[in-house]
Amino acid sequence: DAGVIQSPRHEVTEMGQEVTLRCKPISGHDYLFWYRQTMMRGLELLIYFNNNVPIDDSGMPEDRFSAKMPNASFSTLKIQPSEPRDSAVYFCASSFLRPTDTQYFGPGTRLTVL
Amino acid sequence: DAKTTQPPSMDCAEGRAANLPCNHSTISGNEYVYWYRQIHSQGPQYIIHGLKNNETNEMASLIITEDRKSSTLILPHATLRDTAVYYCIVRVRDNAGNMLTFGGGTRLMVKP
Repeated sequence: DAGVIQSPRHEVTEMGQEVTLRCKPISGHDYLFWYRQTMMRGLELLIYFNNNVPIDDSGMPEDRFSAKMPNASFSTLKIQPSEPRDSAVYFCASSFLRPTDTQYFGPGTRLTVL
Repeated sequence: DAKTTQPPSMDCAEGRAANLPCNHSTISGNEYVYWYRQIHSQGPQYIIHGLKNNETNEMASLIITEDRKSSTLILPHATLRDTAVYYCIVRVRDNAGNMLTFGGGTRLMVKP
């Protein structure tokens, strides 16, 4: 298996623009997670899905953030409009069965908002 | 969830064993100890987990004290590629509502 795939790996955009981050989980995994990592706040869970359904989005910072999982092999995290403070590395992870079982992380997307 | 305490940084000589401690004095009986690591510019990577027995896999060994209030992750022969931030996380394994919460971790520097 290729592991969790994220795209793009790097994104530079200007404040106010819409940003879409993409994730392909490991085939067969039924949990998908979105995390954000910054120097100030460390690694934070934003939202997670079970069988394509959002279960807990309490970590999503604002209404500007939205996440979808239209099918078992694809998820998006969208920021609209983006702000400089959204600059961070965004990780996607997936796991099998329960969410507290081993999570496999993607390589991350480094987002810079100017 | 039980809170964990780890030293912010440690050094280890290449080829020697790296012993990374973690205190979790408020751990509950149904909480597991998980270890992940994050190598620079990569996503976190699962290492090992355990409940109360010592565990070993191809990456590391996990030693949990009898009272379960602390644990040690052992990398038996550290290499330069083991330089990373190591996270100790305590979680209930069977509760679907509980996620991994990453703290500050220990930054391990393996030196030649």
